[in-house]
Amino acid sequence: DIVMTQSPDSLAVSLGERATINCKSSQSVLSSSNNKNYLAWYQQKPGQPPKVLIYWASTRESGVPDRFSGSGSGTDFTLTISSLQAEDVTVYYCQQYYSFPYTFGQGTKLEIK
Amino acid sequence: QVQLVQSGAEVKKPGASVKVSCQTSGYTFTNYDINWVRQASGQGPEWMGWMNPNSGNTGYAQMFQGRVTLTRDTSIRTAYMELSSLRSGDTAIYYCARAIAAGGSNWFDSWGQGTLVTVSS
Repeated sequence: DIVMTQSPDSLAVSLGERATINCKSSQSVLSSSNNKNYLAWYQQKPGQPPKVLIYWASTRESGVPDRFSGSGSGTDFTLTISSLQAEDVTVYYCQQYYSFPYTFGQGTKLEIK
Repeated sequence: QVQLVQSGAEVKKPGASVKVSCQTSGYTFTNYDINWVRQASGQGPEWMGWMNPNSGNTGYAQMFQGRVTLTRDTSIRTAYMELSSLRSGDTAIYYCARAIAAGGSNWFDSWGQGTLVTVSS
């Protein structure tokens, strides 16, 4: 199984500042056949299911604000929120869909400093 | 709009089985795989398996093999997840999630609201 490890576990950022969450996979999730990274980012608010923000490591889902961006390749990935808003304070997960079983990171809790 | 509506909370005793339903609307049910994901309190999501509603083909995570069964009723656009031999560690919220296509490796673009399953003697 591919193990997904996020860092940090929690992060405190001031409103309007940049937030950066990291995700590392135990194996590469980059496909040599199509040069795509099989990595998604989700946001989960309390009492709600996860909501996809980013797929293919860097493609923003329709309707997601452009302050959210994804980067990275192979085994190392980053979710960046360029200017933290109050509504962004919640938990974020990365997920690999390169191979079964699909696996998620343990989550990063974003808080206001 | 795409909607996945799950059945209500369940309380089960150890050793029992639970069957959770996921009724879909707003899209062609047979064109998109349905996956099941569970999440224990304070933990990250855990993928359980997938089903192709058109063919009925399924795939399960090794840790649930033999205990989980995914089925569907295409006439009512509903997917089901049955988990047997329940133990306390199975206490979690169970979600159905639509993959962005049928077949292949996909992320999940729509989720049910979740069903809390509590296993307690």
